[in-house]
Amino acid sequence: DIVMTQSPDSLAVSLGERATINCKSSQSVLYSSNNKNYLAWYQQKPGQPPKLLIYWASTRESGVPDRFSGSGSGTDFTLTISSLQAEDVAVYYCQQYYSTLSYTFGQGTKLEIK
Amino acid sequence: EVQLVESGGGLVQPGGSLRLSCAASGFTFSSYEMNWVRQAPGKGLEWVSYISSSGSTIYYADSVKGRFTISRDNAKNSLYLQMNSLRAEDTAVYYCARLTHAFDIWGQGTMVTVSS
Repeated sequence: DIVMTQSPDSLAVSLGERATINCKSSQSVLYSSNNKNYLAWYQQKPGQPPKLLIYWASTRESGVPDRFSGSGSGTDFTLTISSLQAEDVAVYYCQQYYSTLSYTFGQGTKLEIK
Repeated sequence: EVQLVESGGGLVQPGGSLRLSCAASGFTFSSYEMNWVRQAPGKGLEWVSYISSSGSTIYYADSVKGRFTISRDNAKNSLYLQMNSLRAEDTAVYYCARLTHAFDIWGQGTMVTVSS
């Protein structure tokens, strides 16, 4: 199985400041035939299901604010929130969907307001 | 409105069985691959099982292989998860999720508690 490791486990950022979450996969999730990274980011607020934010590592899902951005390729990826808003407090997960045998998630990063 | 609604959760004793359902609406269910994902209380997300749009291809996480069975009825716009030989560690909220470019649509989840 591809292991997804996020860092940090928790993060406290001031309102209006930048938040950065990292995700590393144990093997590349870049599919050479289409040059796409099979990496997604999700946001989960308490008592709610996860919400898709980013797919193909850097494509924003429809309706997601543009302060959310994804970057990276191969094995190293980053989710950036450019200017933290109060409503962004949540747990964020990365997920690889490269290996159809097991769509593994990272352990999650809890984002709070400083 | 595109929607997934899970049902069938509840309290079951260790070794028991439960069948979860996921009702889809607002999209052509038969065209989409589907998944089950679970989340133990206070823990992260764990992918459980995948089924192709026709039902011909199925995958399971090692933690549930041989005990859980995923299936679908495209005529009824429904996804199922038959869970047998349940263990305490299967206690979780179970979500169904649609797979397109990622898991783009999720249900609200149904809670399964395995306890004596």
